[in-house]
Amino acid sequence: DGGITQSPKYLFRKEGQNVTLSCEQNLNHDAMYWYRQDPGQGLRLIYYSQIVNDFQKGDIAEGYSVSREKKESFPLTVTSAQKNPTAFYLCASGSGPNTGELFFGEGSRLTVL
Amino acid sequence: QKEVEQNSGPLSVPEGAIASLNCTYSDRGSQSFFWYRQYSGKSPELIMSIYSNGDKEDGRFTAQLNKASQYVSLLIRDSQPSDSATYLCAVISSGGYNKLIFGAGTRLAVHP
Repeated sequence: DGGITQSPKYLFRKEGQNVTLSCEQNLNHDAMYWYRQDPGQGLRLIYYSQIVNDFQKGDIAEGYSVSREKKESFPLTVTSAQKNPTAFYLCASGSGPNTGELFFGEGSRLTVL
Repeated sequence: QKEVEQNSGPLSVPEGAIASLNCTYSDRGSQSFFWYRQYSGKSPELIMSIYSNGDKEDGRFTAQLNKASQYVSLLIRDSQPSDSATYLCAVISSGGYNKLIFGAGTRLAVHP
């Protein structure tokens, strides 16, 4: 079945540690996105990539980094520079660069202890 | 002013009633509008997209768009307890990279 797989689903991190969230899709989509969701808030865009080897900052990129070495994969690293990293992280993909019809993974819930 | 605004709710409706969810947006140049449903603790899923003024129906769901009033709504007919979720309105902004902007969502509770 086609879809997006995020891992891990739950992650605990000590302050000062970097963590990497995995996102893999087999939908053959060019565009991939990382969003962050905090309680009672909408989704905020962290990074997006419209094509392999290219990615752009979203609205809240500070303290995060990404790579897009393969079409299927778009991992997100939450660095120690991110001041408030506890959140629900969502990876999504879309068939085109300007589509609003996105498919989401199941999400990764990060808690900083 | 928030770019996409929704009443946070909860909107409580009895089973079988029509649920009406509303969304306003600030970018007058926006052309594409979407409704996502998000169950508690889960990821969003697309349920409706609308691009032209008027109504678009899909099963029990009807999306309504009024670009002049910068208003988009979602009607859910014959509401079921399984419709209880948060509904996110999303709009593609018109400037530069066409960014998808989400509202904070309206929580819908359908009670038996």
